[in-house]
Amino acid sequence: SQQGEEDPQALSIQEGENATMNCSYKTSINNLQWYRQNSGRGLVHLILIRSNEREKHSGRLRVTLDTSKKSSSLLITASRAADTASYFCATDGTGANNLFFGTGTRLTVIP
Amino acid sequence: EAGVAQSPRYKIIEKRQSVAFWCNPISGHATLYWYQQILGQGPKLLIQFQNNGVVDDSQLPKDRFSAERLKGVDSTLKIQPAKLEDSAVYLCASSFGQGESPLHFGNGTRLTVT
Repeated sequence: SQQGEEDPQALSIQEGENATMNCSYKTSINNLQWYRQNSGRGLVHLILIRSNEREKHSGRLRVTLDTSKKSSSLLITASRAADTASYFCATDGTGANNLFFGTGTRLTVIP
Repeated sequence: EAGVAQSPRYKIIEKRQSVAFWCNPISGHATLYWYQQILGQGPKLLIQFQNNGVVDDSQLPKDRFSAERLKGVDSTLKIQPAKLEDSAVYLCASSFGQGESPLHFGNGTRLTVT
C-alpha cells in the first residue's frame, strides 16, 4: 500500500507553541501534499512539495521532504486555537493519478 | 468560486437498504473523486473520474457500490445493499486536472447503517 502514516496520532500544545507532524510513506512519489480537516468538514489543501524539493514555506507552515527516508514533516509555527484540526499527508505514486492519504494527526491547540 | 456541493449531509438507513449520494464539483473541474472515510482514519479512494470516464475504481466494492458521472459534471454514488461496515463519511472531491492539482473537498455525507 502507498498509504502514508502520520506520527504522532495526536498532539496537544499550548497556543503560541510550534507543532510538528511527521509522515512516512512507502513508494516513490512525484509529490506530497498536506491537508487539514476540521471536525465534521471536508479536507482543505495546505501545501504541495515536489519530489525534487527539500523544503517549502507558506505563511506559518514549513514542510520538509526527505525522499531517501520516504518521510515528510509539517511544522506549524506560533500555533493558534483555530489550528485545531486533523492533518493528513497525501502521496501520489509515480505513474498513479490519484492520492493516497495517511492516517492523520489530530492537533489540539489549547488557548 | 463555489465549492464542492454534496447532499444529503446525513443519512441513517438499515442494513440491506440502498442509499445514494450526490456531488456537484467545482465548475470546470474535470477530475472527480469519491472517498470513504471511516471514523478515525484517513480518506480511502473509491473511484476517480476524468470527465465522464472512470480512471480508477480498483478499490470500489463493485458487488454493492456503483458510481456514475453523467455528462462529466455531477456524480452519484450508490450503495445497494448496505452493510454495517459501510458506516462512514463519503467525501466527494474535484480537481482541475491530475498530478499536482490540489483536491477540493465537499463537507461529505455521514452515513450510519443500523
